[in-house]
Amino acid sequence: AQSVTQPDARVTVSEGASLQLRCKYSYFGTPYLFWYVQYPRQGLQLLLKYYPGDPVVQGVNGFEAEFSKSNSSFHLRKASVHWSDWAVYFCAVSLDTNAYKVIFGKGTHLHVLP
Amino acid sequence: EAAVTQSPRNKVTVTGGNVTLSCRQTNSHNYMYWYRQDTGHGLRLIHYSYGAGNLQIGDVPDGYKATRTTQEDFFLLLELASPSQTSLYFCASSDVGTGGRNTLYFGAGTRLSVL
Repeated sequence: AQSVTQPDARVTVSEGASLQLRCKYSYFGTPYLFWYVQYPRQGLQLLLKYYPGDPVVQGVNGFEAEFSKSNSSFHLRKASVHWSDWAVYFCAVSLDTNAYKVIFGKGTHLHVLP
Repeated sequence: EAAVTQSPRNKVTVTGGNVTLSCRQTNSHNYMYWYRQDTGHGLRLIHYSYGAGNLQIGDVPDGYKATRTTQEDFFLLLELASPSQTSLYFCASSDVGTGGRNTLYFGAGTRLSVL
């Protein structure tokens, strides 16, 4: 069955440090992959998306993600974290065979230390 | 920019109570969705619709009804609320493209407490 796994429920980094949030997906078709961010007391917002093509995609606020078919992964990265990045990050996959179907991971809480 | 508005933002009811959550989108999107968000589960799809009068069952539909009255408005109904339905509810819309290009636009959420 299709699934998205975010192995880290919580990640803590110091402001200015680099960041990687991990995402693994399970799907045998063509995956369309997304990272969404949920700031405190807000809904989810799209951070970036991957459609088949260049494996490295750029998003807002300096975020980027890299798709790896061999590893079934779509990890999110940022070179220098800011305190305002404190949020919950969700990885998601949209299926090519059922376009309405978007499967979310359980989310990773990012805590930023001053 | 896409806009999805949910009301109320917070709701408290008692077990067995009747609750209606409202959602309106002004994006002219065809698809609308109701999700619930719970710690340890992420987002789970309750119901969705691809147009006025249409309703499709999601992954966790038990105890929920939904109705899409217009392209803009989608309602989630809990007719006999239970404590297990205490959750954060999100509405979303999308203009589903071909091949899974399904970018969702979310509302700010409704926090429901069932006592």
